[in-house]
Amino acid sequence: DTGVSQDPRHKITKRGQNVTFRCDPISEHNRLYWYRQTLGQGPEFLTYFQNEAQLEKSRLLSDRFSAERPKGSFSTLEIQRTEQGDSAMYLCASSQSTSGGTYLRNEQFFGPGTRLTVL
Amino acid sequence: AQSVTQLGSHVSVSEGALVLLRCNYSSSVPPYLFWYVQYPNQGLQLLLKYTTGATLVKGINGFEAEFKKSETSFHLTKPSAHMSDAAEYFCAVTPRGGGGNKLTFGTGTQLKVEL
Repeated sequence: DTGVSQDPRHKITKRGQNVTFRCDPISEHNRLYWYRQTLGQGPEFLTYFQNEAQLEKSRLLSDRFSAERPKGSFSTLEIQRTEQGDSAMYLCASSQSTSGGTYLRNEQFFGPGTRLTVL
Repeated sequence: AQSVTQLGSHVSVSEGALVLLRCNYSSSVPPYLFWYVQYPNQGLQLLLKYTTGATLVKGINGFEAEFKKSETSFHLTKPSAHMSDAAEYFCAVTPRGGGGNKLTFGTGTQLKVEL
C-alpha cells in the first residue's frame, strides 16, 4: 500500500498526559499537512510542511502542540498536557507541489486519521 | 478569508433517486473547489475537483458537480443514489495562486440512502 498511513489509529489518554502521532506520507510527496476534525465539523487546517520546513501554523495550534518533519519524510504531531477539548480526529495529508504551482499536481491525499479521546 | 457553506447537515434520499448536495463559497476570487467523501472511521477521499476549464466536472462513483461563478456555488449531484453512497460529504476550497494549498472545508453533509 503506497497511501498515507497514520499511527496509531486510536488513542485514549487521560487529561494532562502527552501524546504523539505519526504520519507517513506518500514517498515522493514533499508537502505534508495536518488537520483536526471534531465531531460534526469539517477538518480544520493546523499546519503544513514543505520538505522539512514548517511553513505555516494555524492559530488553532496552541503552544501545547508541536509538529516536526525532521528528514522531510514522516512527521510527528505532539500534544502536551492534553485537555478534553483536544479530543478529535487528527488527519494527515500529503501532496507533491510543482515549481509552477499547478494545482493538479498538488492534490492532497489523506490518511485514515488518528482518533484521540481525552478522558 | 475564504469560507464554505454546506446547506443541510443531513440529506436523506431513496435508493435510485437524485442526490443533490449544496455548497456555496465566499471568496473575492473564485478558488479551486473540491468535494471529498468520508466513510465512517476513515480518511477523506477526493470525489472531484474544479480548477479551470469546463465548469461541469465529473468525478468518481458517478458524481458530478457544476461550478457557477454567478451563484458562487459548486453543488454535487448524482442521478441515481446507491446504498453505498451513504457517507459524509465535504466541500472544500483553496485559493488560487499560492497559500500553501491548505484546504478550507465546509461542515459536511451526511447522506443517508434508504430502500
